Amino acid sequence: NAGVTQTPKFRILKIGQSMTLQCTQDMNHNYMYWYRQDPGMGLKLIYYSVGAGITDKGEVPNGYNVSRSTTEDFPLRLELAAPSQTSVYFCASSYRLAGASTDTQYFGPGTRLTVL
Amino acid sequence: SQKIEQNSEALNIQEGKTATLTCNYTNYSPAYLQWYRQDPGRGPVFLLLIRENEKEKRKERLKVTFDTTLKQSLFHITASQPADSATYLCAGGGYNKLIFGAGTRLAVHP
Repeated sequence: NAGVTQTPKFRILKIGQSMTLQCTQDMNHNYMYWYRQDPGMGLKLIYYSVGAGITDKGEVPNGYNVSRSTTEDFPLRLELAAPSQTSVYFCASSYRLAGASTDTQYFGPGTRLTVL
Repeated sequence: SQKIEQNSEALNIQEGKTATLTCNYTNYSPAYLQWYRQDPGRGPVFLLLIRENEKEKRKERLKVTFDTTLKQSLFHITASQPADSATYLCAGGGYNKLIFGAGTRLAVHP
């Protein structure tokens, strides 16, 4: 199993450009998450999904969009890149049974994005 | 707002000693806490989970405690090794998500 994979590893964008960060997991996990991590800060949740076709906002969703058409894929879209979106982005997945209160998250290697 | 707080200062210890990292939570009562390890340039990796009704959990050289009175979790690494040098993240369980602390960087010196 590859686990959680993310592409690209690095990207430099100009202000106003758009891009999609790809995330794929091969563990048949129902939950998937997108976080951003700024230097010295904790992981901030951008969006999450509890299953195909269902997404919800996290703590910092502004400037981002997501979709979940399959169990495996959870792409993150930046429509109009701004310098404030310079960060490291992590995708994660977990398997949670209905009614279960805990989950262990498996993280991808991250995408380092710079907006100039 | 719900917060998980960790000591932002790096912890420097000598090889062989016990490292103790602290995690405090405020404005909510997590049903469980998790600890992750993060190496530079990599994603976090899960280490341990402890539930609110568990006082202590162990895994090899790792030990985690959960004190609901102090609203605190302690993470211990015994007989520390230079290979244990990393950033350790604490996360509290929330509705459909985890709330992460900023992490504490541990440096173990030979």
